Amino acid sequence: QKEVEQNSGPLSVPEGAIASLNCTYSDRGSQSFFWYRQYSGKSPELIMFIYSNGDKEDGRFTAQLNKASQYVSLLIRDSQPSDSATYLCAVSGGFKTIFGAGTRLFVKA
Amino acid sequence: EAGVTQFPSHSVIEKGQTVTLRCDPISGHDNLYWYRRVMGKEIKFLLHFVKESKQDESGMPNNRFLAERTGGTYSTLKVQPAELEDSGVYFCASSPQGALGTEAFFGQGTRLTVV
Repeated sequence: QKEVEQNSGPLSVPEGAIASLNCTYSDRGSQSFFWYRQYSGKSPELIMFIYSNGDKEDGRFTAQLNKASQYVSLLIRDSQPSDSATYLCAVSGGFKTIFGAGTRLFVKA
Repeated sequence: EAGVTQFPSHSVIEKGQTVTLRCDPISGHDNLYWYRRVMGKEIKFLLHFVKESKQDESGMPNNRFLAERTGGTYSTLKVQPAELEDSGVYFCASSPQGALGTEAFFGQGTRLTVV
């Protein structure tokens, strides 16, 4: 079993729709959860982080964490073509951060 | 303020040769990480420095890889001798805190191609 699992996609949504990206992790001791966005040929950039169960909203982005289910998600409201990228879920239990393989998102204009 | 910089941006070498990648973290960041992304796979942790000390090198694939961080500033990652499966993008990240938290920054990566 992979430590951090994501559906590789591609996930295709129309412009203006809600994009929902999901991630599960295996280490119950994980404490910090991150979503990175990576455009093709670019470095990952941190867009959201969450530490506590529940929802965390930042602009069009909402991160959701359920530690009991070992599940973290990212919702992107009013998706824009510029949101098209690979979204990486990352989980940290201390000094090491483990990444998922990423989900490719396409937002169609 | 300069971000995390990596050099070179792209390297093409023959199997058996040696390559050295360099990472300059953001000034003042004690924590420096190396990651690698092989095509089609997830980003994999290689190792973590706290200043000049190796905190965790459990992700280093084998003894052909050697990372150093002299003086706790920039870091180098040497691959000697390079093999075909070493091809991928090598990312460096730095953070002032222990885990990659809210102040984590990645470099642009070095794309290594071994032919």
